[in-house]
Amino acid sequence: ILNVEQSPQSLHVQEGDSTNFTCSFPSSNFYALHWYRWETAKSPEALFVMTLNGDEKKKGRISATLNTKEGYSYLYIKGSQPEDSATYLCAFMSGYSTLTFGKGTMLLVSP
Amino acid sequence: DAGVIQSPRHEVTEMGQEVTLRCKPISGHDYLFWYRQTMMRGLELLIYFNNNVPIDDSGMPEDRFSAKMPNASFSTLKIQPSEPRDSAVYFCASSRREPTNGYTFGSGTRLTVV
Repeated sequence: ILNVEQSPQSLHVQEGDSTNFTCSFPSSNFYALHWYRWETAKSPEALFVMTLNGDEKKKGRISATLNTKEGYSYLYIKGSQPEDSATYLCAFMSGYSTLTFGKGTMLLVSP
Repeated sequence: DAGVIQSPRHEVTEMGQEVTLRCKPISGHDYLFWYRQTMMRGLELLIYFNNNVPIDDSGMPEDRFSAKMPNASFSTLKIQPSEPRDSAVYFCASSRREPTNGYTFGSGTRLTVV
């Protein structure tokens, strides 16, 4: 069983705050790391797919970094907005498995 | 493309009844996944198919659950007989051959077994 841990479990910030979450995954047999954004009553949507150690991806105010040697990825949101409120899932793929999802970080951004 | 299409969106059924959930993946996607989402366990993979062939069904909770993919554009997940503990949201997702592509999820089926 592959262990994918996300922290914090939930986060409540004010509009304009910058925030970041952590995803920890096994450092052996790495293949890919995915981040998904999951709004309430909707389905998860892919944000980033990262495959190389040191990868950095950016989409608007959201960015992610990857360290495969130590088994972690960070997701950053700069200047959070209420519409960023969602659960952010990371998912790890090893060389011999499909995605294993973490339980997510639930972000609430208050105006 | 209309995305991954799941039906029904909501299903309420009585314990012991058969339930069938349906999924139409995105055309051209070679992989299809069935996930179950619960508060306790998050998103759990139940089974996945590659080119319509079941590859790993180790996540299927027990013999009451079965899944089929008769062709590239249709898959079903069946629970027979259903039990209250099967109540959850069931998601179907599909992706292209290269697993480094993100998965596209359907809207999910919220199943309630009473």
